[in-house]
Amino acid sequence: EPEVTQTPSHQVTQMGQEVILRCVPISNHLYFYWYRQILGQKVEFLVSFYNNEISEKSEIFDDQFSVERPDGSNFTLKIRSTKLEDSAMYFCASSASTGPTETQYFGPGTRLLVL
Amino acid sequence: GESVGLHLPTLSVQEGDNSIINCAYSNSASDYFIWYKQESGKGPQFIIDIRSNMDKRQGQRVTVLLNKTVKHLSLQIAATQPGDSAVYFCAGAPGYSSASKIIFGSGTRLSIRP
Repeated sequence: EPEVTQTPSHQVTQMGQEVILRCVPISNHLYFYWYRQILGQKVEFLVSFYNNEISEKSEIFDDQFSVERPDGSNFTLKIRSTKLEDSAMYFCASSASTGPTETQYFGPGTRLLVL
Repeated sequence: GESVGLHLPTLSVQEGDNSIINCAYSNSASDYFIWYKQESGKGPQFIIDIRSNMDKRQGQRVTVLLNKTVKHLSLQIAATQPGDSAVYFCAGAPGYSSASKIIFGSGTRLSIRP
């Protein structure tokens, strides 16, 4: 069964450093998303991406965040200057452009710890 | 504002019993609802979904009920098994666009007693 994959599984970084979180969406999907989950809290939407541009973004997704689809398979989330409060699980998701459902399938997540 | 998934935080059931996890939402604009299961250290896993023009949908061992009048959603798990232990989130999406964000609730942790 096709899956969304994410790398790395864990990332530890110093405050102020840049991090890039990587995702490989399901191969025939065209819509991509990033969500985050701070420990013990609900999953929060960050951004959706379609046709090489952002479709929607939340208030959390400020100028420190950016997304990119550098090639035909990867989808990345970059945090330019990490803050302590960026520590969270980051989930990538993807969905198909057509079909009877708009189900978003989630990857296993990257646990980011900012020290 | 939008609010989906006002859950009870925990639910404990006997193995083999049926589980019912409830969720309330306040956003009338939600057209599509989803139940996700999240096991420890993993990403949300799709269980079942339902559109706002339906009131019931069944899957394998799971049933989702939607009551739009009282803005209530429930997930029923038949013959609960130890592998069902997880946090269950109801979530909503405002439209039929595949680029719609999903708004997650706070989740209910389901524990199974042997």
